[in-house]
Amino acid sequence: DTGVSQDPRHKITKRGQNVTFRCDPISEHNRLYWYRQTLGQGPEFLTYFQNEAQLEKSRLLSDRFSAERPKGSFSTLEIQRTEQGDSAMYLCASSLARGLAGYNEQFFGPGTRLTVL
Amino acid sequence: AQRVTQPEKLLSVFKGAPVELKCNYSYSGSPELFWYVQYSRQRLQLLLRHISRESIKGFTADLNKGETSFHLKKPFAQEEDSAMYYCASGDSGNTPLVFGKGTRLSVIA
Repeated sequence: DTGVSQDPRHKITKRGQNVTFRCDPISEHNRLYWYRQTLGQGPEFLTYFQNEAQLEKSRLLSDRFSAERPKGSFSTLEIQRTEQGDSAMYLCASSLARGLAGYNEQFFGPGTRLTVL
Repeated sequence: AQRVTQPEKLLSVFKGAPVELKCNYSYSGSPELFWYVQYSRQRLQLLLRHISRESIKGFTADLNKGETSFHLKKPFAQEEDSAMYYCASGDSGNTPLVFGKGTRLSVIA
């Protein structure tokens, strides 16, 4: 296991098109997070999963965005009818959460850079 | 809502000089605080976390609840420390992280 992987690494699309990104977490990790990072900003939370259950969605996640983690392993993030403002780096992270207490390290993937023309 | 502030976008220091990257947080509870680092062409990775109280690559960070700060320090900067540094906070229970905007550290030979 070489860590969190994301595919594709780069995506260029035209405004109005749909795009889908994939994230493969570290195999034993039950938590999976999606973040978005724009130029000059830190990563901003979008949504996260515990196994296959989507626990929370940020207000940043408009109705055009949908995320799934169907079998509790890999996850997909789809953006419908892309807009130029969606251009960003989309980061995936995973962690192993044990109970409610404590905080385990989030391991990040390399990101998918989306450019909407 | 949690907020993390990193007041400096860019910090340039000479090799061997002390480094302090500032981070302030706002949170009513007891957050978990972290420093993440991103070296050129590499992914974001954890540098250190406040609960472990350890020194990683010569860096330390002390949580000051009175000043709501978690500044990152290193007594003698090295060229390989040049990177983007992000301060982040999270609730216990592995909730999503809230990141600051980051500080780019440039160590000049």
